[in-house]
Amino acid sequence: GAVVSQHPSRVICKSGTSVKIECRSLDFQATTMFWYRQFPKKSLMLMATSNEGSKATYEQGVEKDKFLINHASLTLSTLTVTSAHPEDSSFYICSARDPAGGLYEQYFGPGTRLTVT
Amino acid sequence: AQTVTQSQPEMSVQEAETVTLSCTYDTSESDYYLFWYKQPPSRQMILVIRQEAYKQQNATENRFSVNFQKAAKSFSLKISDSQLGDAAMYFCAYRSGTYKYIFGTGTRLKVLA
Repeated sequence: GAVVSQHPSRVICKSGTSVKIECRSLDFQATTMFWYRQFPKKSLMLMATSNEGSKATYEQGVEKDKFLINHASLTLSTLTVTSAHPEDSSFYICSARDPAGGLYEQYFGPGTRLTVT
Repeated sequence: AQTVTQSQPEMSVQEAETVTLSCTYDTSESDYYLFWYKQPPSRQMILVIRQEAYKQQNATENRFSVNFQKAAKSFSLKISDSQLGDAAMYFCAYRSGTYKYIFGTGTRLKVLA
């Protein structure tokens, strides 16, 4: 099946710094990618929808200036957490939509654990 | 706005037995999809089964089947012949026409040997 990778798998950064998380579709071109945030023992919360070549669409309550999303190519979307604070510590998951469709139309990455100290 | 509710934070089942996980949702849309995802300790989301709202027939994937009641907006997952590897968090999800997913709060399934 299609594979979506995320890098890094885990990252620790200091408060006030920025950190970039990459999401790649490895064997298909993803016109749309999604970014989710998952708090410990909680559900996945959609943060934003990323379309290749256009600005991301953020969900209500998500600070677009803090969570910068770039979808520069059909296989890569990046999430940059700017001026990170401890409350930004979380598990971030991306998913990529395969426009070819079928049963497995959206594939999830393995996630990135961000810890802000 | 659409919502997805999973009222069972945790369920337990004996190995080889059957368990049913509940999910209800609310929407005003007529065209949508429903999914069950499994999230093991690795945190990788794994698709278990999906149901198109326009199909009356309940989806089945090997030991996994759903009971889709559109009028009641209910979408439960039945796992037959439970195996130790089935232990995980299970999320019910709703997908709208814009491909955005809305997830329930999850049910942690424990399989007892």
